[in-house]
Amino acid sequence: DAGVTQSPTHLIKTRGQHVTLRCSPISGHKSVSWYQQVLGQGPQFIFQYYEKEERGRGNFPDRFSARQFPNYSSELNVNALLLGDSALYLCASSLAQAISYEQYFGPGTRLTVT
Amino acid sequence: AQTVTQSQPEMSVQEAETVTLSCTYDTSESDYYLFWYKQPPSRQMILVIRQEAYKQQNATENRFSVNFQKAAKSFSLKISDSQLGDAAMYFCAYRVNTGANSKLTFGKGITLSVRP
Repeated sequence: DAGVTQSPTHLIKTRGQHVTLRCSPISGHKSVSWYQQVLGQGPQFIFQYYEKEERGRGNFPDRFSARQFPNYSSELNVNALLLGDSALYLCASSLAQAISYEQYFGPGTRLTVT
Repeated sequence: AQTVTQSQPEMSVQEAETVTLSCTYDTSESDYYLFWYKQPPSRQMILVIRQEAYKQQNATENRFSVNFQKAAKSFSLKISDSQLGDAAMYFCAYRVNTGANSKLTFGKGITLSVRP
């Protein structure tokens, strides 16, 4: 079975622009979480979706938004990009929301804001 | 605030030797899981081992084992017979069962190098 996939792999944007990152979970997984990993740091939680509903949001500004589609794939949108948004964005999927279900990570999208 | 602390930024181990990575955490919840993740230069976050807080027995996965001290909120990872492929960043993390969401909270990570 295919693992979690994310697109694009890399992208470069300019300050003030908007970006959309995409995530396809493992088949059958209904929960998707997004994390931001700044270079040299551990991932920070951004959003969690389960059954197409937002179930949690981390300490990120309203410039960050996300959604989950009927096929359980997800998009992360960031508006008005800042230099500090440069990071690796990780998507993780799990069968359900409970902590007993392992989260499987995708390879990430490397965003560079210039 | 719920936090994970990895106080050692870097460690080095000789191939075939044993190394222990330290981690402390702070949560007021009683139902939680603890994890160690490995992140090689390829960036893929890989689960190494997990420990359910309600279990007293320390988890083991082949060459990887943990020392879980619940009262001290300590969760160290021991890697035995270190291999070159073990070189990576290692993150300690936990998930709590709040009923709202089940996010992972990570530490800052430790860079492990393996000397041939």
